[in-house]
Amino acid sequence: QVQLVQSGAEVKKPGASVKVSCKASGYTFPPYDINWVRQATGQGLEWMGWLNPNNGDTGYAQKFQGRVTMTRITSITTAYMELSSLRSGDTAVYYCARVRADGSFDYWGQGTLVTVSS
Amino acid sequence: SYVLTQPPSVSVAPGKTARITCGGNNIGSKSVHWYQQKPGQAPVLVVYDDSDRPSGIPERFSDSNSGNTATLTISRVEAGDEADYYCQVWDSSSDHVVFGGGTKLTVL
Repeated sequence: QVQLVQSGAEVKKPGASVKVSCKASGYTFPPYDINWVRQATGQGLEWMGWLNPNNGDTGYAQKFQGRVTMTRITSITTAYMELSSLRSGDTAVYYCARVRADGSFDYWGQGTLVTVSS
Repeated sequence: SYVLTQPPSVSVAPGKTARITCGGNNIGSKSVHWYQQKPGQAPVLVVYDDSDRPSGIPERFSDSNSGNTATLTISRVEAGDEADYYCQVWDSSSDHVVFGGGTKLTVL
């Protein structure tokens, strides 16, 4: 069965970077894009960007341009999302999700809590 | 940038029909997808590409989309349907995914 398994919770200090992994299994890694979405406590879903695992192409939400980097290692079917210059407002649960051709997110990771605190 | 507007909350009695709206400029020309999220869990796709459902999602979930409003309809509402619901589109003008702000469905 399709699974996306994310890395564990992280605690970071302001100004640091965090890298979250998303291990895909149960399907062929390309051609499905992987997207990243975050959710602060009690808030809605916020889209961060997409990654094409086939060629490594990416597209980022304007809000995160310059601070986010999405990469992958196809041999281990794992995608990564790195967010730099962390601030308290980045405290959230970060999700990866597989995207269908119609743009819907059909499978999601379990989420990774990133806490930014001094 | 493209904006999707949802009501913060909707309440419905068990067995009745819940309707959750998602407003956006000419949203009827876009494919709209809907997600259910229960506390402490990842979102789950319940309706995609205008009224298709993933396997395991009951036929009670459907949607409509026309003009400036898409609507998720949940028939014969059950206590287990209580959750937050989000609409989502792809905005081709900005190459961005857009989510609505979410609607909390309360089953009375």
